[in-house]
Amino acid sequence: EVQLVESGGGLVQRGGSLRLSCAVSGFNVRNDYMSWVRQAPGKGLEWVAVIYSGGGAYYADSVKGRFTISRHNPENTLFLQMNSLRVEDTAVYYCARLKTGEFVDQWGQGTLVTVSS
Amino acid sequence: SYVLTQPPSVSVAPGQTARIPCGGDDIGSKSVHWYQQRPGQAPVVVVYDDSDRPSGIPERFSGSNSGNTATLTIGRVEAGDEADYYCQLWDSASDHFVFGTGTKVTVL
Repeated sequence: EVQLVESGGGLVQRGGSLRLSCAVSGFNVRNDYMSWVRQAPGKGLEWVAVIYSGGGAYYADSVKGRFTISRHNPENTLFLQMNSLRVEDTAVYYCARLKTGEFVDQWGQGTLVTVSS
Repeated sequence: SYVLTQPPSVSVAPGQTARIPCGGDDIGSKSVHWYQQRPGQAPVVVVYDDSDRPSGIPERFSGSNSGNTATLTIGRVEAGDEADYYCQLWDSASDHFVFGTGTKVTVL
């Protein structure tokens, strides 16, 4: 059974850092494209970052230079290191697997990040 | 950056057909995917690659894509179809995922 379980969310002050984790079971993160997608309270979906099976990574303009996506293959875990957090980064963050590299076929349940001023 | 535009809301009576447009520049040349998101839940893909349906998604859900508009069509709408719907594509020019602005479907 495929499962994606996020953790690491919480309350942090503006300018602070947080690292999100996504523990994966049922497939190998090293073989698939993996992504983070976020949703601010009452707002729509916003793509954050993607990491390819080959290791390349791309970021939304809103987080580029502040966030880093990575994975730890032995533990089959995806990460999102978030630095210099802003109030507008407040959102539920979803871990996601990309099917054929183009759409999400598996989602985690999400973890809430709240950045206070 | 590439922009996908959806109407904020669509209302439809039970048993009728709901059509949700997603506008983008020459979107017909790209593969578009659609997600359903019920309150408090993660999204679920209902149509991928313009018009394909994942297993378990009813045939009532269909998609089309041409010119500058992609469309998700929900036939014989049921109360359980009430949710937010998002279109999405991969913009190869920027290596960015793009989500539409989202449409709330209300079943009257």
